[in-house]
Amino acid sequence: EVQLLESGGGLVQPGGSLRLSCAASGFTFSSYAMSWVRQAPGKGLEWVSAISGSGGSTYYADSVKGRFTISRDNSKNTLYLQMNSLRAEDTAVYYCAKIKGRGIAVAPGCVDVWGQGTTVTVSS
Amino acid sequence: DIQMTQSPSTLSASVGDRVTITCRASQSISSWLAWYQQKPGKAPKLLIYKASSLESGVPSRFSGSGSGTEFTLTISSLQPDDFATYYCQQYNSYPVAFGQGTKLEIK
Repeated sequence: EVQLLESGGGLVQPGGSLRLSCAASGFTFSSYAMSWVRQAPGKGLEWVSAISGSGGSTYYADSVKGRFTISRDNSKNTLYLQMNSLRAEDTAVYYCAKIKGRGIAVAPGCVDVWGQGTTVTVSS
Repeated sequence: DIQMTQSPSTLSASVGDRVTITCRASQSISSWLAWYQQKPGKAPKLLIYKASSLESGVPSRFSGSGSGTEFTLTISSLQPDDFATYYCQQYNSYPVAFGQGTKLEIK
């Protein structure tokens, strides 16, 4: 069974840092691009970042560029999101997402598997 | 960046109704459009990809159509389990973008 399990969420003060992790199982992790998608309380879905299967290509939403870093460790089947300089508007449930490929390694894709989400709250 | 606009924002319907949700892209995205269903407190679920391809395990009452800038999601006969929020997503180019969502409510 394909599974994604996020961890690392919590309460952090504005300006602080947090690292999210996503443990993947049930598929060949290195063969798939992965992504982070977030959802603020009562709001819609917002794409945050994506990374190619090899880890060699990364992409970011303007709202997080320069503050967040996506990475992966294919030997550990784990995806990460390092979040620095956190702001109140970063408060959200963060979902780890497996990308359904288009057949081109660096092309964007849709999400066919979602994690259960981890909650990040930025507040003093 | 490509903007995605869904309509309506809220839709009231009854079990058995046929409903259609529209998603418009600010520029052509070919057929690189997906539809998701989300229920409260749960992760979204992929329904349709590449505008009209039904994801495995999704009931055939769900269908998608369109290309370029205008797309629709149709539910042919609403079931009680279908009352949820629906999102479209373009994945033609980065940054990927979601529509603002359509909440399907029971009339």
